[in-house]
Amino acid sequence: QVQLVQSGAEVKKPGASVKVSCKASGYTFTGYYIHWVRQAPGQGLEWMGRINPNSGVTNYAQKFQGRVTMTWDTSISTAYMELSRLRSDDTAVYYCARDLIPGGWLQLYDYWGQGTLVTVSS
Amino acid sequence: EIVLTQSPGTLSLSPGERATLSCRASQSVSSSYLAWYQQKPAQAPRLLIYGASSRATGIPDRFSGSGSGTDFTLTISRLEPEDFAVYYCQQYGSSPSFGGGTKVEIK
Repeated sequence: QVQLVQSGAEVKKPGASVKVSCKASGYTFTGYYIHWVRQAPGQGLEWMGRINPNSGVTNYAQKFQGRVTMTWDTSISTAYMELSRLRSDDTAVYYCARDLIPGGWLQLYDYWGQGTLVTVSS
Repeated sequence: EIVLTQSPGTLSLSPGERATLSCRASQSVSSSYLAWYQQKPAQAPRLLIYGASSRATGIPDRFSGSGSGTDFTLTISRLEPEDFAVYYCQQYGSSPSFGGGTKVEIK
């Protein structure tokens, strides 16, 4: 069965960076785009960007350009999202999610990781 | 960016009742690229509906979606206890965005 398993909760100071991992299993990792979506406490969902695990091509939401980096390691079927220059309003649960369609992107998410809480506090 | 406005913010209903949730877009959503997700506390969202009206795999037929252009609706025909949750609409495609959510709570 398809599973996305994320790394554990993090506490960071303002200005620091955080790197969250997302390990995929149950399907061909290179066959589906991985997206990152975040959710601030009590708030809605916000798309951050996507990565093609077959080529490494990324596309970031304008809001996060210059602060986010999405990478991947095919050998261990894992995607990563690194966010730098953290601020208190970056406190959120960060999710990885798989695109619905193989080989392309539709920005529809059929499988999600369990989420990783990142807390930014001095 | 397309802004999605969901209403009402909270819907208080009893099991067995019908729920009607609205999602309005600030501009027309192309190709009816409108989806609905369900989210329960401390869980990731779950895809319910895409293409405005197509149910995702494994979604019961009490969930239905309709609409086009700027006005979309999610209907739950008869609420089951497990349906009480927050529901988000999403427009997808090149620059996705989500609505603010509607909480369906037990009356």
